[in-house]
Amino acid sequence: QVKLVESGGGLVKPGGSLRLSCAASGFSFSDQYMTWVRQAPGKGLEWISHINPSSVYTEYAGSVKGRFIISRDNSKNSVFLQMNTLKAEDTAVYYCVGGVAADYWGQGILVTVSS
Amino acid sequence: DIVMTQSPDSLAVSLGERATINCKSSQSVLYSSNNKNYLGWFQQRPGQPPKMLFYWASTRDSGVPDRFSASGSGTDFNLTINSLQAEDVAVYYCHQYFTSPYTFGPGTKLEI
Repeated sequence: QVKLVESGGGLVKPGGSLRLSCAASGFSFSDQYMTWVRQAPGKGLEWISHINPSSVYTEYAGSVKGRFIISRDNSKNSVFLQMNTLKAEDTAVYYCVGGVAADYWGQGILVTVSS
Repeated sequence: DIVMTQSPDSLAVSLGERATINCKSSQSVLYSSNNKNYLGWFQQRPGQPPKMLFYWASTRDSGVPDRFSASGSGTDFNLTINSLQAEDVAVYYCHQYFTSPYTFGPGTKLEI
């Protein structure tokens, strides 16, 4: 079955960096858009970035543009999110999501930005 | 950016009754070339990740009970849950994937 497993989250100080990874299985990873969606504590869902299957196209939400970088490695069925210059408002559960319509979701991983 | 709104913010429905949630987009998410609405619906139960219910506005995802239905086109969409069950307690989100940045509605909290 489809499985998406995020890793790399944790506590980081404001201004710091963190790299999230997501390992995918159970679907044709190299044919799918991959997306990161986040959810701040007690809040709704926020789409933050996606990457097309060939890595040619990437898009970002305005709130993270210039600070976050999405990438993927189709040989390892993995997608990554490099998060730089982190702010307190980046504190959230980050979900790895597969499919252009957000078909498949991971369990999410918590990123806390705090001094 | 396309802004998604949902109404109501929350609703309480009795077991066995019907719940209807509305979602509106600030611009059309209907792609005329293929006549598809780039609109999805998601259910998020407490403590769980979101789960897809519908894509293309009204195509039910695999395993979703048929008491869930969805309709609409252009900028106005509805999610209906018939014969409400206790397991349907969740927050429901609509989501447009018509144009980047893709956006979600603020969510509708459904309670019994």
